[in-house]
Amino acid sequence: GENVEQHPSTLSVQEGDSAVIKCTYSDSASNYFPWYKQELGKRPQLIIDIRSNVGEKKDQRIAVTLNKTAKHFSLHITETQPEDSAVYFCAAPRGYSTLTFGKGTMLLVSP
Amino acid sequence: NAGVTQTPKFRVLKTGQSMTLLCAQDMNHEYMYWYRQDPGMGLRLIHYSVGEGTTAKGEVPDGYNVSRLKKQNFLLGLESAAPSQTSVYFCASSPRLAGGNKETQYFGPGTRLLVL
Repeated sequence: GENVEQHPSTLSVQEGDSAVIKCTYSDSASNYFPWYKQELGKRPQLIIDIRSNVGEKKDQRIAVTLNKTAKHFSLHITETQPEDSAVYFCAAPRGYSTLTFGKGTMLLVSP
Repeated sequence: NAGVTQTPKFRVLKTGQSMTLLCAQDMNHEYMYWYRQDPGMGLRLIHYSVGEGTTAKGEVPDGYNVSRLKKQNFLLGLESAAPSQTSVYFCASSPRLAGGNKETQYFGPGTRLLVL
């Protein structure tokens, strides 16, 4: 089955800096890679996703890049703000109808 | 449109007791999932369902049972609770896309379970 490794486990940045979280996957047939944000005490919510037919996708301050050859994808947050503080999860398909999640990255943005 | 809802929000059980967690979705999604979330472990899939009347095991199914008698509901049961089942439980649902294409999962608010 799919194995997803996520790094780093914690990331501390100053407000305005950029943050990068990286995930690697094992199944070369995987074709869908979502990122979820989970604020303290809340449910995970999708913030951006990418399919394997594109290498990059942007949505305002958030971008995801995909390197199919190296089997890794990354979340990039620019101009970080305190409200970006949360736990971020990457995921990759496992079988036909499920996802495997990374263990999460706790992002702390200091004012 | 409530999305995905879960009941109860919080529950305390004694070892050996049983309970059922209810998940409901009003988005007409085919797929439904139960996850548990523990510190440092991410989201681990317990059981899932690809349609009414069908269920399948995930990564950590032991000690849990599920049922999907109606398309909009997915029940998670603990027959004999153990302290190791103390966790936050999330339900999720997603639509089925043609050609095996994946779609995002929508999560419920979670149920916090404490087993003493």
